[in-house]
Amino acid sequence: KAGVTQTPRYLIKTRGQQVTLSCSPISGHRSVSWYQQTPGQGLQFLFEYFSETQRNKGNFPGRFSGRQFSNSRSEMNVSTLELGDSALYLCASRGTRAIFTDTQYFGPGTRLTVL
Amino acid sequence: AQSVAQPEDQVNVAEGNPLTVKCTYSVSGNPYLFWYVQYPNRGLQFLLKYITGDNLVKGSYGFEAEFNKSQTSFHLKKPSALVSDSALYFCAVREPNNNDMRFGAGTRLTVKP
Repeated sequence: KAGVTQTPRYLIKTRGQQVTLSCSPISGHRSVSWYQQTPGQGLQFLFEYFSETQRNKGNFPGRFSGRQFSNSRSEMNVSTLELGDSALYLCASRGTRAIFTDTQYFGPGTRLTVL
Repeated sequence: AQSVAQPEDQVNVAEGNPLTVKCTYSVSGNPYLFWYVQYPNRGLQFLLKYITGDNLVKGSYGFEAEFNKSQTSFHLKKPSALVSDSALYFCAVREPNNNDMRFGAGTRLTVKP
């Protein structure tokens, strides 16, 4: 089975711009979660989507948004980029049922640099 | 809300020696516990998880972890470390009936030849 894929792998943007990141989950997985990883804050949960509905949301400003399509692919959008948004953005998928015991499998991440 | 702590930022061991990476947690109810490893410029790779049953869980690459309910710990262990085990290790916890998974801050393991 192919793993979780994320595109692009690297991205450089300037302050004020917006960016869209894409994630394709493992085939059959219906839950997709997004995380931000920075050296200072570690891994922080952004949001989770299941069957096109946002099921859970972390403590991030409204500039961070996401969506999930009918084929379970997900996109994450960050508007009005700030320097502090520079991070590794990780996507993870789990389960056909996404029950609480399911394992999350992570993609390689998108490295976003904001100049 | 659930939380997890990894008390050591850095662990150094010599190749061939046993290694332990510590993790403690706080949840309401029985926890679901996970260990992941991250190599440079890569995503997190799943190592093992505890859901229920035997307190000793065996995972990938020779790693194992012991669930200790009384000490609320889930330490990661390996009998004989390899240089290639050098990486960043994350412990994570999820509460029952809660989709939110919380990660520890990570422990950087360095195995020296």
